[in-house]
Amino acid sequence: SQELEQSPQSLIVQEGKNLTINCTSSKTLYGLYWYKQKYGEGLIFLMMLQKGGEEKSHEKITAKLDEKKQQSSLHITASQPSHAGIYLCGADTSNTGKLIFGQGTTLQVKP
Amino acid sequence: DGGITQSPKYLFRKEGQNVTLSCEQNLNHDAMYWYRQDPGQGLRLIYYSQIVNDFQKGDIAEGYSVSREKKESFPLTVTSAQKNPTAFYLCASKGQGSVTEAFFGQGTRLTVV
Repeated sequence: SQELEQSPQSLIVQEGKNLTINCTSSKTLYGLYWYKQKYGEGLIFLMMLQKGGEEKSHEKITAKLDEKKQQSSLHITASQPSHAGIYLCGADTSNTGKLIFGQGTTLQVKP
Repeated sequence: DGGITQSPKYLFRKEGQNVTLSCEQNLNHDAMYWYRQDPGQGLRLIYYSQIVNDFQKGDIAEGYSVSREKKESFPLTVTSAQKNPTAFYLCASKGQGSVTEAFFGQGTRLTVV
C-alpha cells in the first residue's frame, strides 16, 4: 500500500466546476508539497505546507494541511481547461529527508 | 540561470545493456533524488542523497545504482538486473530542511528494446 494515498485517482469535471483532491497518510507529514504535471514532462511546483492547519492559495487553487498533519486537500475553484493535468502530493513522512509521492490524480476539464 | 538538468530527454538501449542517466544542478542543493514514473502512476523513489558521498535506497532500488561524487551531480545507472527498465525517470534537488521546495528536471524517457 502507498504511504501517501491520493483520491480520487482520476477526475473529469465540466469547466467552471469546483473540485477537490485529497492526500492522506497514516504518518505525520513533515512538509507537504503539491505539484502539477503534464504527462511526460517535469513537475511544476504549486504549493508547500508545513504547519498543521495551514492554508495557502494561488490564483484559483487552495491547499490545506489538517491540524494533525496527516491529510491535505487541494481545491480548485471554477476549473478551466488549463487546470488539466496530473496532480501529485509529496511529503517527507519520516523526517529524514526521504521525499515520497502519492500515485497522482489525473484531472480532465471539459469545455 | 539556476536549475536542474537531465540528459538526454530520450534514450534507447538494447536489453542487457547498462545505461547511465545524467542529472546536474547548479542550485547548490544538498539533497538529490531519482524517481521512476510509469503510465498512470505517481513517482516512485529509487535513490536519494542528502550529502556528497552518501546516498540511501528508496522504495524501488533493485536494479539501479547511483553515485554522488560531486554536489552538483547525481547520475543514475540502470543495470541489466532491472527487470522492466522502460519508464520515465525524473531527478529532483532540494535545499536543506524538510520544507524547502524540490526542483525537478524535465525527465528522461528510457526505452529498452
